[in-house]
Amino acid sequence: EAGVTQFPSHSVIEKGQTVTLRCDPISGHDNLYWYRRVMGKEIKFLLHFVKESKQDESGMPNNRFLAERTGGTYSTLKVQPAELEDSGVYFCASSQESQGSYEQYFGPGTRLTVT
Amino acid sequence: AQSVTQPDIHITVSEGASLELRCNYSYGATPYLFWYVQSPGQGLQLLLKYFSGDTLVQGIKGFEAEFKRSQSSFNLRKPSVHWSDAAEYFCAVGAGKLVFGAGTILRVKS
Repeated sequence: EAGVTQFPSHSVIEKGQTVTLRCDPISGHDNLYWYRRVMGKEIKFLLHFVKESKQDESGMPNNRFLAERTGGTYSTLKVQPAELEDSGVYFCASSQESQGSYEQYFGPGTRLTVT
Repeated sequence: AQSVTQPDIHITVSEGASLELRCNYSYGATPYLFWYVQSPGQGLQLLLKYFSGDTLVQGIKGFEAEFKRSQSSFNLRKPSVHWSDAAEYFCAVGAGKLVFGAGTILRVKS
């Protein structure tokens, strides 16, 4: 079974540019999460999809961040325009959460550097 | 508010020595607790989890953790550390949205 995949693995962009990160969850997992780790800080929750619906986007830092999950499969996270403080590692995770199991499986992350 | 504290940012142990990584949590209900490990260049891998039942849980790679409700702790242990265990370890709590601790970087000296 394929795990969670993320693309790209690294991205270096200039301030003001746009970047789109992609996450492919484990097949059949309805729940998809985005997290971010800024250098030296904790991993922080950004948002949660259940299928194609946003269940919780309380962690999204501002309206420069837009997440979508069309069709309830893969998800994209767009940052437009990027700022220096957006640099960090963006993780995606998926889970099934049936029968009370809340195990989340993480992708390798996308390291975003904004210069 | 939910929170997780990992008081040790760095820990160095000798290969073959025992290991204990500390984790304290604050959570309003019955906690769902997790330990993840991130090796260099890799994503987060689930080591073990606690939902209910036996408070001593076994995980992969020879790790175990003990849930102590009275101390709000979920410490990770391993009786004999291998050089390949060098990584960063994260404690997390949540049912759905996870709250993570700051992580503990484990160094193993030979």
